[in-house]
Amino acid sequence: DAGVIQSPRHEVTEMGQEVTLRCKPISGHNSLFWYRQTMMRGLELLIYFNNNVPIDDSGMPEDRFSAKMPNASFSTLKIQPSEPRDSAVYFCASRPQGGSGYTFGSGTRLTVV
Amino acid sequence: AQSVTQLDSQVPVFEEAPVELRCNYSSSVSVYLFWYVQYPNQGLQLLLKYLSGSTLVESINGFEAEFNKSQTSFHLRKPSVHISDTAEYFCAVSHASGGSYIPTFGRGTSLIVHP
Repeated sequence: DAGVIQSPRHEVTEMGQEVTLRCKPISGHNSLFWYRQTMMRGLELLIYFNNNVPIDDSGMPEDRFSAKMPNASFSTLKIQPSEPRDSAVYFCASRPQGGSGYTFGSGTRLTVV
Repeated sequence: AQSVTQLDSQVPVFEEAPVELRCNYSSSVSVYLFWYVQYPNQGLQLLLKYLSGSTLVESINGFEAEFNKSQTSFHLRKPSVHISDTAEYFCAVSHASGGSYIPTFGRGTSLIVHP
């Protein structure tokens, strides 16, 4: 298995632009999680899905952030409009039904200038 | 609510020396405990976990952690570290019931192994 695949690995964008981060979970995993990692706040859970349905989005910082999971093999995290304080590494992780441990992707390093 | 405290933000050690990375948690219910490792420019990888049974759990690369319920701790240890162990280590805790198992992560401890 190729693991959790995230794209792009790096993204540099100007303030105000729309940013879309992509994630392909491990086949057969039914839970998907989006995390943000910064030096100031550490690892924060933004949102998670079970069977493609958003379960808890209380970690999404603002309405500028949105996430979708149209099918079991694909999810997006969108920021519109982006701001410099959104600069961080964004991780996607997946987990099988009943499983306790995550498999993380390699992350997308977002820089908003 | 649950929380995790990693007492050291950075731990420098020399190669082949023993190391302990400390983790304490708080929770009003039974918990599952995890250690994840993050190498530079990579995602987190599960290192080991405690779900039930023996309180001492081991990883394949020589790390071990012991669940101590009375001290609410899950410290990570290795008797002899290698340069390649240099990484960020995250302790995490989740409720052991309810089915969601959403962990709360600590802030991480940077292990720096010097030659």
